[in-house]
Amino acid sequence: EAQVTQNPRYLITVTGKKLTVTCSQNMNHEYMSWYRQDPGLGLRQIYYSMNVEVTDKGDVPEGYKVSRKEKRNFPLILESPSPNQTSLYFCASRAKGDNEQFFGPGTRLTVL
Amino acid sequence: QKEVEQNSGPLSVPEGAIASLNCTYSDRGSQSFFWYRQYSGKSPELIMFIYSNGDKEDGRFTAQLNKASQYVSLLIRDSQPSDSATYLCGAGTYKYIFGTGTRLKVLA
Repeated sequence: EAQVTQNPRYLITVTGKKLTVTCSQNMNHEYMSWYRQDPGLGLRQIYYSMNVEVTDKGDVPEGYKVSRKEKRNFPLILESPSPNQTSLYFCASRAKGDNEQFFGPGTRLTVL
Repeated sequence: QKEVEQNSGPLSVPEGAIASLNCTYSDRGSQSFFWYRQYSGKSPELIMFIYSNGDKEDGRFTAQLNKASQYVSLLIRDSQPSDSATYLCGAGTYKYIFGTGTRLKVLA
């Protein structure tokens, strides 16, 4: 089944404890992206990657890091999480030249 | 700051009516626009994309783009209770900007 998977789906952590949210897609998509969704602020792009080793900032990159070492994986790293990073995070992917982004199931992160 | 703006709603329409969802954008350089539907607790799913001025139809859905007015809309004909969801308007090709979403309620 073609899909985007994210792990973990739910995470409660404490301020300053480094964490990684993984994202993997099995559709051989070149483009991948991370978003956060907050009430009243909508869906905001954090980082995106057009292909392996090619990443760029979205609208709200502060406090996040990404890497794209393999085509299928695009992990989101929070080096020192803070409470304002409490949010619902979505990973998405799409094929080069295509318009449709396929979203993962989301990761709900709470930083205490 | 590039923005996409939508009325948060809720927009309530009776079953069988036409639902009209609207969106404006600030970046005149934007080329591609899209509508995603998001059910409560679920991920966004693409409904339609549009990049040319005018109308684009797909089943019960019609997207309209007016670049001069920087305006995108989505019409849902014969609305069904299953259409009740939040509709996200967005723009971009690699770097994407989404609106905050319009909550649609279709009343049976």
